[in-house]
Amino acid sequence: LAKTTQPVSMDSYEGQEVNITCSHNNIATNDYITWYQQFPSQGPRFIIQGYKTKVTNEVASLFIPADRKSSTLSLPRVSLSDTAVYYCLVGVEGKLIFGQGTELSVKP
Amino acid sequence: GAVVSQHPSRVICKSGTSVKIECRSLDFQATTMFWYRQFPKQSLMLMATSNEGSKATYEQGVEKDKFLINHASLTLSTLTVTSAHPEDSSFYICSAADRSSSGANVLTFGAGSRLTVL
Repeated sequence: LAKTTQPVSMDSYEGQEVNITCSHNNIATNDYITWYQQFPSQGPRFIIQGYKTKVTNEVASLFIPADRKSSTLSLPRVSLSDTAVYYCLVGVEGKLIFGQGTELSVKP
Repeated sequence: GAVVSQHPSRVICKSGTSVKIECRSLDFQATTMFWYRQFPKQSLMLMATSNEGSKATYEQGVEKDKFLINHASLTLSTLTVTSAHPEDSSFYICSAADRSSSGANVLTFGAGSRLTVL
């Protein structure tokens, strides 16, 4: 199972774009990259998933370079309610190991 | 989208008693569910993989006789914390895998169960 490394914490202000990068040097050929968001005392919530290049949905974009050894979650125009912990996971068959995650703090 | 229901959301019990937590996939069948444990300010730790109709697979260091897992149907897995002690107090979260449009599994998580052992 691929290990992931993310910054422990990040600060931002409302309205800014936030980019959180995750490195996963030993990602396997079949692995997908999935990002989750977790608020205190709640289960993680799926944000976005990708395999290569760029994926965009209604809440975020995911950028994956050609070597797939890293990925960047981009949150456009964050609000106070985006304050949460963000986890990057790699895998394919469902058994996913959580790293430490990135604690994002959005300030007014 | 996929929904996983977890119950109870909070439970307080006396030391030595057993507590059962239920995890249900509401609108899809889950042959595999996962149980996690999370301490304050820490990440989720995978405890075990629950397989429908067969024994659960436990991660290293997790006592299978302490944390009993039963996956009796395609939509229900239960975690029983037996003879609970204060050090078992934690946030327990279940998840189930559903196939995404990209073809990979996406985990849908329950809301979690806060266990406090007095």
